[in-house]
Amino acid sequence: GAGVSQSPSNKVTEKGKDVELRCDPISGHTALYWYRQRLGQGLEFLIYFQGNSAPDKSGLPSDRFSAERTGESVSTLTIQRTQQEDSAVYLCASSLAGDRGLGELFFGEGSRLTVL
Amino acid sequence: GESVGLHLPTLSVQEGDNSIINCAYSNSASDYFIWYKQESGKGPQFIIDIRSNMDKRQGQRVTVLLNKTVKHLSLQIAATQPGDSAVYFCAENKGGGFKTIFGAGTRLFVKA
Repeated sequence: GAGVSQSPSNKVTEKGKDVELRCDPISGHTALYWYRQRLGQGLEFLIYFQGNSAPDKSGLPSDRFSAERTGESVSTLTIQRTQQEDSAVYLCASSLAGDRGLGELFFGEGSRLTVL
Repeated sequence: GESVGLHLPTLSVQEGDNSIINCAYSNSASDYFIWYKQESGKGPQFIIDIRSNMDKRQGQRVTVLLNKTVKHLSLQIAATQPGDSAVYFCAENKGGGFKTIFGAGTRLFVKA
């Protein structure tokens, strides 16, 4: 597709379960980002990929969170043993330039996670 | 993760008036700044950007002003329309697309 695609769009899970969130970036975009947005709040940086390497994982809230990326394509954000405070919209974005220049981010519509 | 986790300030303007949304950024080494618009239920969308070697940039109905001395960014929207109602975020980064950090956001309401 033409834009960043995220799935699932909505996920309801029970506390303690693991969840996987998927992001398909725009074809050719080398940089990929994950952000978390709690209700009514700003965007919290989680992790950034340049290609399939993650130079900056400093935003991951705990070791329950992990992310991987296959080449310059799909990325998966995994949350293990989910907690209620993990409830949020998880936004993925991709960018052409990465470290090399302009950094306009193209966002998907997000995956809304609700942990009961 | 990094962000400012505050409840969003709001700005209410009359349709047709000009809007000014302000943002204070944190890193004096940041050299690239972007404004994003987020409508309800959607991801943020790019509005306009500016590099640190400029202090003003204009787009269609929007102008971004950068004051590096006081680390302040503003977005001016001319002749505000109901479709401009959204949350507006400023974002900063250093050296291009690496680790874009978002500000707290401002909710703009446009009254018809």
